[in-house]
Amino acid sequence: KNQVEQSPQSLIILEGKNCTLQCNYTVSPFSNLRWYKQDTGRGPVSLTIMTFSENTKSNGRYTATLDADTKQSSLHITASQLSDSASYICVVSPNSGNTPLVFGKGTRLSVIA
Amino acid sequence: EAGVAQSPRYKIIEKRQSVAFWCNPISGHATLYWYQQILGQGPKLLIQFQNNGVVDDSQLPKDRFSAERLKGVDSTLKIQPAKLEDSAVYLCASSALTGTGQDYGYTFGSGTRLTVV
Repeated sequence: KNQVEQSPQSLIILEGKNCTLQCNYTVSPFSNLRWYKQDTGRGPVSLTIMTFSENTKSNGRYTATLDADTKQSSLHITASQLSDSASYICVVSPNSGNTPLVFGKGTRLSVIA
Repeated sequence: EAGVAQSPRYKIIEKRQSVAFWCNPISGHATLYWYQQILGQGPKLLIQFQNNGVVDDSQLPKDRFSAERLKGVDSTLKIQPAKLEDSAVYLCASSALTGTGQDYGYTFGSGTRLTVV
């Protein structure tokens, strides 16, 4: 069964600190992996998208890594800001075309002053 | 580029009432998706359209939910009658398919938060 598991479920960090969120997946075949940021009451916004051959992709203070062999991904946030408080969702596309995306349940990050 | 537009942003209804949500995808995006996101969970796909045809509606509770995409552009999702467990955020997303079949520009709208009391 195609699944995406994220950890931790929630995380609280101090402003300015770094953090890393984890994503493990069992989706096969694999097309791409995406990280989304979802503010409360808003729709998810794409941070990164990586294909099978990509190991790292950055978007400002966000850096995603992908290990397609172990089926693991991480999202590292550097020098966190209060505005980083949100849910971060890992999403895997099983295949190109019309196959539905597989969503993780997300990690709820709270950045406090 | 304009994003995916959804309305209303919020809706509160009593159980057994009906409700409708509207979505306008990004111009040129042939594929449109409706998701249900219950608090604390990831989005669950309800229905996927390719132009005005249904590609996947396997998780749509068809006894009470219906969706249409007339003319392959805007879409509406309806719930009739609503139940308490339908309280959730309903997200619309759209994407374009490249010539190699890769979905491109997958973008979510801001969602409609439905509360059934």
